[in-house]
Amino acid sequence: GEDVEQSLFLSVREGDSSVINCTYTDSSSTYLYWYKQEPGAGLQLLTYIFSNMDMKQDQRLTVLLNKKDKHLSLRIADTQTGDSAIYFCAEKERKLIFGQGTELSVKP
Amino acid sequence: DGGITQSPKYLFRKEGQNVTLSCEQNLNHDAMYWYRQDPGQGLRLIYYSQIVNDFQKGDIAEGYSVSREKKESFPLTVTSAQKNPTAFYLCASSGGQGYEKLFFGSGTQLSVL
Repeated sequence: GEDVEQSLFLSVREGDSSVINCTYTDSSSTYLYWYKQEPGAGLQLLTYIFSNMDMKQDQRLTVLLNKKDKHLSLRIADTQTGDSAIYFCAEKERKLIFGQGTELSVKP
Repeated sequence: DGGITQSPKYLFRKEGQNVTLSCEQNLNHDAMYWYRQDPGQGLRLIYYSQIVNDFQKGDIAEGYSVSREKKESFPLTVTSAQKNPTAFYLCASSGGQGYEKLFFGSGTQLSVL
């Protein structure tokens, strides 16, 4: 069945780059997404990538997609304490399937 | 400002009680969704509605019910049949732009007394 996997925790120092990884199983996914959730709040869409793209850059965010390995990553350059949150990847074929979320902790 | 509003922020349920979580949107979106979030498990789809007066079960619909009488509103009832209701509930809406950008409310934390 459809499945999306992420590691649960990532800790980085302020100013470093963060890389959050995600693997998925559904090869017919049309879009892949990254959502951000701050404590006690809903999710907000950070960025998305169409399945025929390899890379998308948006300011400090870079999304890389390896379709052969079904691997998606989100790189945050110059990570700030305000980037501390849970990051969810999600894939869409018929419906959205979310990963478990990666909690990013940014230490000063 | 357009957005999606959930209420209440916190809700407590007694044994055998049904409780209703409110979700209202003024984004003129056709599609609305309810998700349940448990720590370390991501989001699981409870129910969704793509149009007024129509809704479909998601992956974990047992013990829940919904209605969609108005485009703006999609309330979720957690019934007494849901034996493990403690979770963070998230409502979302989508304008059906193809890439499925979901707008989320700020969530309701439901706990059992």
